Amino acid sequence: QSVLTQPPSVSGAPGQRVTISCTGSSSNIGAGYDVHWYQQLPGTAPKLLIYGNSNRPSGVPDRFSGSKSGTSASLAITGLQAEDEADYYCQSYDSSLSVGVFGGGTKLTVL
Amino acid sequence: QVQLQESGPGLVKPSQTLSLTCTVSGGSISSGSYYWSWIRQPAGKGLEWIGRIYTSGSTNYNPSLKSRVTISVDTSKNQFSLKLSSVTAADTAVYYCARDGPPGDFDPWGQGTLVTVSS
Repeated sequence: QSVLTQPPSVSGAPGQRVTISCTGSSSNIGAGYDVHWYQQLPGTAPKLLIYGNSNRPSGVPDRFSGSKSGTSASLAITGLQAEDEADYYCQSYDSSLSVGVFGGGTKLTVL
Repeated sequence: QVQLQESGPGLVKPSQTLSLTCTVSGGSISSGSYYWSWIRQPAGKGLEWIGRIYTSGSTNYNPSLKSRVTISVDTSKNQFSLKLSSVTAADTAVYYCARDGPPGDFDPWGQGTLVTVSS
């Protein structure tokens, strides 16, 4: 069981908007630690998608956005495209465990 | 731009020590305020942070693995390494190395290497 909780799966039609939640606790997200998001395409390494809660690395389309509030964070994807079909992971730091922690991952299916 | 590449045996026998090396190219492992991390992913499962090292040699390990993990760095070769002792089938996974930045994010990642623990 992961320290950060994500829905196992989400889906949407091309062009639609989907959101993926990441719920933590007072020892990680709620303690003020940044949340980062990764996209993992099938058979490849994870790729940084959002860092510092809401910042996009160079080259990441502005269709991807991140937010954080309280003990939770969210990743939003607008204008869904077939190429967005992947696993998405949130990540933060947990002060009680003294480790970097990941969510269990969410599989995005583009219908 | 910085690139990372894992290398090491793909098959390790139970009770033995898993050893992997990550080679950093496109930049010096000593430049910037970066840690260098190891992360693993069992097939079909999520990501688990193993530990990290700073170029000074300072390390942090996942408490769940701490008794079995050693991470070291060789700045002259621009490499850092992972040793995991007393492995079992539960340690079978794809092992990734990654740069650990000041905000606490991991970027970039190596392509990953599959390590299977089996006799």
